[in-house]
Amino acid sequence: AQKITQTQPGMFVQEKEAVTLDCTYDTSDQSYGLFWYKQPSSGEMIFLIYQGSYDEQNATEGRYSLNFQKARKSANLVISASQLGDSAMYFCAMRGGGNQFYFGTGTSLTVIP
Amino acid sequence: EAGVTQFPSHSVIEKGQTVTLRCDPISGHDNLYWYRRVMGKEIKFLLHFVKESKQDESGMPNNRFLAERTGGTYSTLKVQPAELEDSGVYFCASSQVAGSSYNEQFFGPGTRLTVL
Repeated sequence: AQKITQTQPGMFVQEKEAVTLDCTYDTSDQSYGLFWYKQPSSGEMIFLIYQGSYDEQNATEGRYSLNFQKARKSANLVISASQLGDSAMYFCAMRGGGNQFYFGTGTSLTVIP
Repeated sequence: EAGVTQFPSHSVIEKGQTVTLRCDPISGHDNLYWYRRVMGKEIKFLLHFVKESKQDESGMPNNRFLAERTGGTYSTLKVQPAELEDSGVYFCASSQVAGSSYNEQFFGPGTRLTVL
């Protein structure tokens, strides 16, 4: 069974500090993709970063990086130098052999000035 | 390029009524997906269209939900009759390529449905 677990319902971080949002996954697929999406209060889902299961290097996109530990089945999102605009809901998602995405319950991040 | 759009943004209806949600995918995207997020829970897959065909509808909760995608363009999701537990945010997503592990799905802003 495919499952995504996000154990942090809410996180706080000081502006300009780094923060790690946890994500663990469970799958029996050999080939899969891991995604992080950001959902600000306006509601849209914004794609942030992707990591393929066969990618040997951790994905990075600007201030976002994905700490991929395949053996531990974790795909944590690291946001460096947090900004006030980073306050939002963050969802970890996985795509396996099928086409549907499996999502976690999300982490609400609040950046404190 | 226009993104995925959804209409309406909010809908408040009474139990037993019918509601139809609409999704317009990104032009040229053959794959269209519906998801639902019930308050405090994870976003759950409902179904997947490839053009006008239902590829996977394993996530549809029951026969009160009917999704269509006539002509392979926009899609509608009808809930009839609506129940209290149908309240949530309904997301639509589209993608160009399916069948690979990299398959970024572009999401719409969602429709917040409240059933009273």
